[in-house]
Amino acid sequence: TQLLEQSPQFLSIQEGENLTVYCNSSSVFSSLQWYRQEPGEGPVLLVTVVTGGEVKKLKRLTFQFGDARKDSSLHITAAQPGDTGLYLCAGVRTTDSWGKLQFGAGTQVVVTP
Amino acid sequence: GAVVSQHPSRVICKSGTSVKIECRSLDFQATTMFWYRQFPKQSLMLMATSNEGSKATYEQGVEKDKFLINHASLTLSTLTVTSAHPEDSSFYICSASRQGGFTEAFFGQGTRLTVV
Repeated sequence: TQLLEQSPQFLSIQEGENLTVYCNSSSVFSSLQWYRQEPGEGPVLLVTVVTGGEVKKLKRLTFQFGDARKDSSLHITAAQPGDTGLYLCAGVRTTDSWGKLQFGAGTQVVVTP
Repeated sequence: GAVVSQHPSRVICKSGTSVKIECRSLDFQATTMFWYRQFPKQSLMLMATSNEGSKATYEQGVEKDKFLINHASLTLSTLTVTSAHPEDSSFYICSASRQGGFTEAFFGQGTRLTVV
């Protein structure tokens, strides 16, 4: 059982559409990160959220951290083919040792032209 | 962002041989590094925590005698897959985090290991 439940597992959309990926847990996280990974490469950090209720924007990407620090979402506006990839949420629980990331199962996003 | 370099990116080895994978933090010191394994279309599975100057901490179900980890300096951790078998074929990824504050992991490029 994943400590971080990520949904949906797969998203296929057309260019220009919006999408949202969710990451939920019953545990409290001291921080939560979102990564994007392309085939054959390591994950690349997109953002870190640390404060409950925090909203961060990165161009067309909007990240939200739940008030209770148990959940997060990633919203992409007007998706482009370059947004295609595996999106992973990960975080360190308040009860875990420093640096020990818990990962969600990942959401495979495919954006077609 | 910080740079973590992993080498080699791909390796093919014969069954029964050992393979060493290196993970270097290029622009910061990392007292702790992490090793993950990833199966196709799946998320990352933590294998072990590599601690500089001390023994690695392995996750449940990971054989420490098979996956040897050495963290000899603040910028280098190595993972050696000993007596490799075809079922060890996988994508191995390391990460390192800057000490202090909240955790932001920076990942290496990954190593595709194929055991034939």
